Amino acid sequence: QKEVEQDPGPLSVPEGAIVSLNCTYSNSAFQYFMWYRQYSRKGPELLMYTYSSGNKEDGRFTAQVDKSSKYISLFIRDSQPSDSATYLCAMSAAAGNKLTFGGGTRVLVKP
Amino acid sequence: DGGITQSPKYLFRKEGQNVTLSCEQNLNHDAMYWYRQDPGQGLRLIYYSQIVNDFQKGDIAEGYSVSREKKESFPLTVTSAQKNPTAFYLCASSSRLAGGVNEQFFGPGTRLTVL
Repeated sequence: QKEVEQDPGPLSVPEGAIVSLNCTYSNSAFQYFMWYRQYSRKGPELLMYTYSSGNKEDGRFTAQVDKSSKYISLFIRDSQPSDSATYLCAMSAAAGNKLTFGGGTRVLVKP
Repeated sequence: DGGITQSPKYLFRKEGQNVTLSCEQNLNHDAMYWYRQDPGQGLRLIYYSQIVNDFQKGDIAEGYSVSREKKESFPLTVTSAQKNPTAFYLCASSSRLAGGVNEQFFGPGTRLTVL
């Protein structure tokens, strides 16, 4: 079993819909949680990060962490075709530690 | 113009050959990383270095080697011992964000194909 699980998709939604992405993990030591966006044939770029449990909002993006369930989520409101990409979750047990990545979910936002 | 550069973008190799992938950063980051990405498997850590002249194996180091002689450079050699080297290779460097989060900045990647 992988340490971090993520549905590979693809997740196809119409423009303007809410995109809901999630990851589950097994290592209860993880404290830092990140979401990266990766366009085709490019390197990933950091979207959001959170520490421990709770919510964080940044524009159209909301990240949620539920440590009791070992479950993290990313919501994209008012989705745009430019949001079409692969979204990777990543997490680490301590600041500065190496990251463990999920497999990524491919998202397609159709105009 | 700060960032991470990787070269070449595409690389073809015959079986039995060693190849070296270049990674350079001008972000003044201490830590650098090499990942391999295969479809559906996300990023898997090959090697990482937290300081010049020091590096550690990641989760899938077998068949790979690295060096860190300069802060800006972290080349990866894919040796003939790597059984299935065809993949997308990503280099990253990291800085510490507020709260201690380790943000990794990625290069554009090198796609290696073994013929």
